[in-house]
Amino acid sequence: AQSVTQPDIHITVSEGASLELRCNYSYGATPYLFWYVQSPGQGLQLLLKYFSGDTLVQGIKGFEAEFKRSQSSFNLRKPSVHWSDAAEYFCAVGGQAGGTSYGKLTFGQGTILTVHP
Amino acid sequence: EPEVTQTPSHQVTQMGQEVILRCVPISNHLYFYWYRQILGQKVEFLVSFYNNEISEKSEIFDDQFSVERPDGSNFTLKIRSTKLEDSAMYFCASSATSTQETQYFGPGTRLLVL
Repeated sequence: AQSVTQPDIHITVSEGASLELRCNYSYGATPYLFWYVQSPGQGLQLLLKYFSGDTLVQGIKGFEAEFKRSQSSFNLRKPSVHWSDAAEYFCAVGGQAGGTSYGKLTFGQGTILTVHP
Repeated sequence: EPEVTQTPSHQVTQMGQEVILRCVPISNHLYFYWYRQILGQKVEFLVSFYNNEISEKSEIFDDQFSVERPDGSNFTLKIRSTKLEDSAMYFCASSATSTQETQYFGPGTRLLVL
């Protein structure tokens, strides 16, 4: 069964500092990996996704993530955090396990990011 | 930019009552999904829907749940007889295709069952 683990429930950083949010997945086939962000009262907004090709993917708002198959990880990074980045971040996995899939996403627990001025 | 909308934003109901949560997916999308998030827990897949039928459903999606696309724009989730444990945020999502397309999520409906 597919699963996603986000080890950090809550992270606090200072504005301007770098950020790395961790994500580990378990999946029986080639995974499709996603990072979503949720601000209070908002829906889930896609930051970036990995399907194939270059293992370093760029997303919106200056975020990037690196797929490391050997470590089953897809960590999210940003070199300099802005106060507006404070939100909850979700890693998710989907794909074609077993040869069929209809787009089901499996989410991690989420990481709440607090940004100090 | 097109977006997924959901109504109502909040719903309070009594245990045993039926509720219908409504979603308007992005207009040219073909795949529709419902997820839920119980407070403090993960976002969980409930069901996917394509071509007017359920494509995949989770163990959570039992006989108390049903989905429907009653017209060309709405996509609904019905809970026939709500339980306390159905209290959660329910998210609707849509995508143009199934696996290699982004799922666009709505803002959610917060359901509280008393």
